[in-house]
Formats: sequence, C-alpha cells, structure tokens
Amino acid sequence: DVKVTQSSRYLVKRTGEKVFLECVQDMDHENMFWYRQDPGLGLRLIYFSYDVKMKEKGDIPEGYSVSREKKERFSLILESASTNQTSMYLCASCGGSNTGELFFGEGSRLTVL
Amino acid sequence: GQQVMQIPQYQHVQEGEDFTTYCNSSTTLSNIQWYKQRPGGHPVFLIQLVKSGEVKKQKRLTFQFGEAKKNSSLHITATQTTDVGTYFCARPPYSSASKIIFGSGTRLSIRP
Repeated sequence: DVKVTQSSRYLVKRTGEKVFLECVQDMDHENMFWYRQDPGLGLRLIYFSYDVKMKEKGDIPEGYSVSREKKERFSLILESASTNQTSMYLCASCGGSNTGELFFGEGSRLTVL
Repeated sequence: GQQVMQIPQYQHVQEGEDFTTYCNSSTTLSNIQWYKQRPGGHPVFLIQLVKSGEVKKQKRLTFQFGEAKKNSSLHITATQTTDVGTYFCARPPYSSASKIIFGSGTRLSIRP
C-alpha cells in the first residue's frame, strides 16, 4: 500500500520557535507538496518540489521554507512560528506524469501559542 | 488566471436527497480530478476524467467532464451519512514542474 507519512499529528509550539514538519513517501514519487488547510479557505499550496534539491513557491510561501535533500523526504520549516501559522498542514506526493493522483499524509495540526 | 472555481461552498441535505457540486475553470483542462475529505481526515483521490464529455460512475456517484473541458460535476444520488465530507475538484499539473490547483471545495452535511 502506498504511504505518505507525516512525522507529527499534533504539535504545540510557542511564537518565535523554529518548527520542522517532516514528510516521507515510499512510492518513489518525483513530486511532493505542502498545503495548509484552514476553514473556509480550502487547500492552499505553500511549496512544492519536483525533484531532489528543487523547490518552487506555491501560493502562500511567506514565512515558510522547505528542504528536499532526498527523494522520499520533503520538510516544511517555519523559521519563526507565528500565531497566524496555526493550521492543518498536509503533505502530498504524486508521480512524474502530468496525470498523477495525489496521495496525502494524515496531516499535522500545528498550534502556535 | 488558472483558477478553478467550485460551487456551492456548503450543501446541507436530508438523507436520501441528491447532491451536486460543480467545478468551473477559466481555461481548458487536460483532465480533472476529484477528491473526498471526510471530517478529520485527509483528501482521498476518487477519480480522474480525461475525455471531453466523459461520464464515469462509482456506485451512487456520477462524474461528468464538460464537452469544452472547462467544467465538471459530481452528482451523488440518494445521499447517505457516509457521504458526509468535503469534495474537491483539482486540476492536475500540466507538467512535472507545475502545481496542482484545487477548487475551494464543497462541504456536504446530511440530516439523518
């Protein structure tokens, strides 16, 4: 069974802390994505990566960075967490073709106090 | 732009009633995908439509892709409580280096 694993289901952090959200996929997918989901706003793309060490900004990259050192792992980094980054974060991956379905992780619910 | 508009935002129906969500694009789509997200869960892929005018069925769910490949719909016949959730359409990437664009989703709730 294909799998996208996010390291933490729930995190509570303080304002100003550095936060790492890890995502690992076991499907040898080229493309990986980080979304945040907030009530009424749907899925908003933060960053995506189509290859190792490659990254592209999504629609809301401000306040975030990413790292893709290995094909299976895509990390989302909040350099200095703020309360408006309290959200559900979803990682996803898909294959290299332009018709690939997205496989999502279970999500990481981050609360910044 | 490359937006994908989805309506309605919310739908509340009596169990047994039908439900439809619509997805519209300002540009021609090569294909379109549909996802379902149960409350507290993550989006799960339902189907992909590729051909102009294509209609696909999954039990009580009927998916359509418009003739001009600019719109799509998901229709659920005789809703059940297990249908509760948010339904998203998505435009897959045109290439391996482009992003997937999601509609805003339609949240379906059901009165038993």
